[in-house]
Amino acid sequence: AQSVTQLDSHVSVSEGTPVLLRCNYSSSYSPSLFWYVQHPNKGLQLLLKYTSAATLVKGINGFEAEFKKSETSFHLTKPSAHMSDAAEYFCVVSEGGSSNTGKLIFGQGTTLQVKP
Amino acid sequence: DAGVIQSPRHEVTEMGQEVTLRCKPISGHNSLFWYRQTMMRGLELLIYFNNNVPIDDSGMPEDRFSAKMPNASFSTLKIQPSEPRDSAVYFCASSLGHVNTFGSGTRLTVV
Repeated sequence: AQSVTQLDSHVSVSEGTPVLLRCNYSSSYSPSLFWYVQHPNKGLQLLLKYTSAATLVKGINGFEAEFKKSETSFHLTKPSAHMSDAAEYFCVVSEGGSSNTGKLIFGQGTTLQVKP
Repeated sequence: DAGVIQSPRHEVTEMGQEVTLRCKPISGHNSLFWYRQTMMRGLELLIYFNNNVPIDDSGMPEDRFSAKMPNASFSTLKIQPSEPRDSAVYFCASSLGHVNTFGSGTRLTVV
């Protein structure tokens, strides 16, 4: 069965410094992995996705993530944080293989705080 | 495309009343999902449909909850009778393959 673990419930960085949000996954087969962002009182927005193509995935707003099979990780990074990046971030794995219906399994979320 | 459309955006109701949440998925998407988000439990998948057929409703908390998808462009989530512990944000999402596109959610408050 698939699962995701977000290793930090809360991350605080200063504006202009790098962001690292950690995620480990467990999957029986080659997974599809995503990062979603949720700003306060908003819906969820797709940041980026990995679907077995390039292992370094670039997303919107300068975010990227690297799929590392040996470490079963899919950490989210950004070189320089902006105040508008303050939000909740979810690492997500999709039920895949032959039964791909788009069913998602969410991590518990990481709250990113950006200090001026 | 207008995206996934949910209504109402906010709902306040009294305990015991029936509540109906509505969702219009993106045209052409063949899967539809209902999620519930609370501070205590995070995001939970309640039920999902594939080609209008319910596939997995194991996340539906109890018999007070029911969901329907009468056609490819409309789904409802009904709670009857509602209870204060049902207060949450309910999201609908649709997909064609891997990527779920989410609606803006319905914030439900049961008093």
